[in-house]
Amino acid sequence: QVQLVQSGAEVKKPGASVKVSCKASGYTFISYGITWVRQAPGQGLEWMGWISAYNGYTNYAQKFQGRVTMTTDTSSSTAYMELRSLRSDDTAVYYCARDYKYSSGAEQDYWGQGILVTVSS
Amino acid sequence: QLVLTQSPSASASLGASVNLTCSLSSGHSNYAIAWHQQQPEKGPRYLMKLNSDGSHIRGDGIPDRFSGSSSGAERYLTISSLQSEDEADYYCQTWGTGIRVFGGGTKLAVL
Repeated sequence: QVQLVQSGAEVKKPGASVKVSCKASGYTFISYGITWVRQAPGQGLEWMGWISAYNGYTNYAQKFQGRVTMTTDTSSSTAYMELRSLRSDDTAVYYCARDYKYSSGAEQDYWGQGILVTVSS
Repeated sequence: QLVLTQSPSASASLGASVNLTCSLSSGHSNYAIAWHQQQPEKGPRYLMKLNSDGSHIRGDGIPDRFSGSSSGAERYLTISSLQSEDEADYYCQTWGTGIRVFGGGTKLAVL
């Protein structure tokens, strides 16, 4: 069965960086992409960006351009999302979800369990 | 600009049916969407892909109490025989080249 298993909770200070992981199993990793979505406390879902595990292409939401980097390691079927220059309003649960391998996109049909990233001094 | 609009809240009685609406922005009425459910304190779960012609494909393990339909730029999620566990936030989502968009979500209360 398809599974996306994310790394554990993180606590970071303002200005620091965080790198979270999303390990895929149960499907051919390079045949799909990964989307990253975050949810601040009490808020809705916010798309951060997408990466193709097929060719490494990325699209980032304008809000995160210059501050986020998404990568994949096809040898371990793992996707990574690094967010830099953290601020308190980056405190959120970060989800990965399976997406299409091309930028044209598709529905996100499987989700990771989420990672709470807390930014606090 | 690709935007999805949802009503913030809805309510319906146990055992009844409810329709949730997601509206696509002008010029995007032919877009497919997906519906996702987020139960309290849980992550999102994919429910279905809904095409502009109303055809839909449910995700793995999603009961047929969940169905979708379309009319113009409106996309609907119908939940029949409401159960207590259906009380959740429901998000619609769509996509285009280089972009993914979520609606603001509808909080469904089961009375």
